[in-house]
Amino acid sequence: AQKVTQAQTEISVVEKEDVTLDCVYETRDTTYYLFWYKQPPSGELVFLIRRNSFDEQNEISGRYSWNFQKSTSSFNFTITASQVVDSAVYFCALSEAINAGNMLTFGGGTRLMVKP
Amino acid sequence: ETGVTQSPTHLIKTRGQQVTLRCSSQSGHNTVSWYQQALGQGPQFIFQYYREEENGRGNFPPRFSGLQFPNYSSELNVNALELDDSALYLCASSQRLALDTGELFFGEGSRLTVL
Repeated sequence: AQKVTQAQTEISVVEKEDVTLDCVYETRDTTYYLFWYKQPPSGELVFLIRRNSFDEQNEISGRYSWNFQKSTSSFNFTITASQVVDSAVYFCALSEAINAGNMLTFGGGTRLMVKP
Repeated sequence: ETGVTQSPTHLIKTRGQQVTLRCSSQSGHNTVSWYQQALGQGPQFIFQYYREEENGRGNFPPRFSGLQFPNYSSELNVNALELDDSALYLCASSQRLALDTGELFFGEGSRLTVL
């Protein structure tokens, strides 16, 4: 069975601080996909990144960066120089390739509050 | 905005009633997935429709059912509502399978309250 754990339920930082959101996953599959989504107060989930299990390269996109480590089954997300607009709930998710289609297993989410 | 629209945005029902939620997928997308998100939790996969057929189902009882229409819009039906069905119901669309394209496009959800 697959599982995603986001141990930090809530994080509060002051604007311009760096913040890392942790994600640990469990899967028996050797091929799988990891995702991060952002959920602002409006409710829709906004796609941030997808990673497959064979690509352990870290990725940077603007102020966002992701650190994928298979050895520790972690896929952490760092926001550099946080801004108030980054305030949202962030979800890490996993999909095993053996599953058809779009069945994602989500973690419980981390609520990030960035104060001015 | 993702182009995925859901209706209604909010609704209140009582136990035992039935509800239908609707989703219009983004133009060009032929796959629709439904997720249930209870307050303070992550979304849980209900089922997915690809070309009008159910193509994957999560751990939800048969009273959760769905349809996909030729224009790829979709409905989620829940019968015999229970208090625990109170949640935000999210619809997501993609062009074929998200594992190929890398992302799902989510709507803003329908918030259902069961009293």
